[in-house]
Amino acid sequence: AQSVTQLGSHVSVSEGALVLLRCNYSSSVPPYLFWYVQYPNQGLQLLLKYTTGATLVKGINGFEAEFKKSETSFHLTKPSAHMSDAAEYFCAVSDPNSSASKIIFGSGTRLSIRP
Amino acid sequence: EAGVVQSPRYKIIEKKQPVAFWCNPISGHNTLYWYLQNLGQGPELLIRYENEEAVDDSQLPKDRFSAERLKGVDSTLKIQPAELGDSAVYLCASSPRDNYNTGELFFGEGSRLTVL
Repeated sequence: AQSVTQLGSHVSVSEGALVLLRCNYSSSVPPYLFWYVQYPNQGLQLLLKYTTGATLVKGINGFEAEFKKSETSFHLTKPSAHMSDAAEYFCAVSDPNSSASKIIFGSGTRLSIRP
Repeated sequence: EAGVVQSPRYKIIEKKQPVAFWCNPISGHNTLYWYLQNLGQGPELLIRYENEEAVDDSQLPKDRFSAERLKGVDSTLKIQPAELGDSAVYLCASSPRDNYNTGELFFGEGSRLTVL
């Protein structure tokens, strides 16, 4: 069975500071990994994803994440936080080998940006 | 291009009453999902449709929940009777058929249910 653990339900950073949101996964096979973002009163939208190939993936709005198999991690980073980054971020995993695969979401990390 | 549309956005009902949520997916998306999102939690799959066929409903509490996707387009999720623990956000998502395993889901804004 697959699972995702997001460390820290709430992260607060100053505007301009580094953003680091942590995600660790558990999977018996090489997984597909995702980060979704949910802005207030909006639906979730895909921020970035890792399927195969390059382990450093870039997403929208300057975010990127690195797949580290040895650490079973897929942490999300952004060099400089902007006020508009305030949102809920969800890490997710799926099994690419399962025809009945479904995406498993983490419990989310709320990112707050201090002026 | 219009996104996934859900209604109502908010619903408050008394326990034991019925409630229904409606979802219109993105045009051309064969796969439709209903997710449950409890406060402080990530979305959990309730049911997945490929066209009009429910291909994964293992997490749907069938004693009180039902769903349908007639004609393989719009979908309705119903709860009858509602219980206090059903208070949550019900999310609808869709994807093109060959994207369902690659994680690119397109979500609606959700329907927030409060059961009193």
